[in-house]
Amino acid sequence: DVKVTQSSRYLVKRTGEKVFLECVQDMDHENMFWYRQDPGLGLRLIYFSYDVKMKEKGDIPEGYSVSREKKERFSLILESASTNQTSMYLCASSLRVRMRYNEQFFGPGTRLTVL
Amino acid sequence: SQELEQSPQSLIVQEGKNLTINCTSSKTLYGLYWYKQKYGEGLIFLMMLQKGGEEKSHEKITAKLDEKKQQSSLHITASQPSHAGIYLCGADVTTSGTYKYIFGTGTRLKVLA
Repeated sequence: DVKVTQSSRYLVKRTGEKVFLECVQDMDHENMFWYRQDPGLGLRLIYFSYDVKMKEKGDIPEGYSVSREKKERFSLILESASTNQTSMYLCASSLRVRMRYNEQFFGPGTRLTVL
Repeated sequence: SQELEQSPQSLIVQEGKNLTINCTSSKTLYGLYWYKQKYGEGLIFLMMLQKGGEEKSHEKITAKLDEKKQQSSLHITASQPSHAGIYLCGADVTTSGTYKYIFGTGTRLKVLA
């Protein structure tokens, strides 16, 4: 079974703090994704990585950065947390097949609250 | 407007009843995926549909893909409280020749015992 783990289930941070969210997958997937999920807005893609050290901006990258130094690990960084970044953050991974995506496997999510 | 529209947004059914959730794309579909999310948790992959007319089943859940309409339906037979949660469709689409993976906003299902 594919396993995607996220470093924390719940996190509370203060405005202006630097926040690291880590995601690890154990199935050698090329693609990894970071989403945020908010009521009424659904899942929105923050960043996507299709290989080590490769990243692409998603729909809402502002205020976030990412790091992928190893294939199994994809980190999301909030450089200076703000209250509007309070959200549920979901990491996912998938195989990359013929330049297309595939079903995604999700971690349990991190509920981040920024005070 | 949403590229992947789900309907209904929410649904409350009595245990034992059948129900259908629809997902319609405004872009050309190359793959349609159904996920289930329990409240406050991550998404669990249910099924993938890739060819027009394809139909797949998992326990009491059946999904179909209508390629002409760019639409998929998820049907639950004899619903149970364990079916409660949020159902999301995801899709491989192309926009100006670029592949993209998008999600619907979800259908919140409640099953009354």
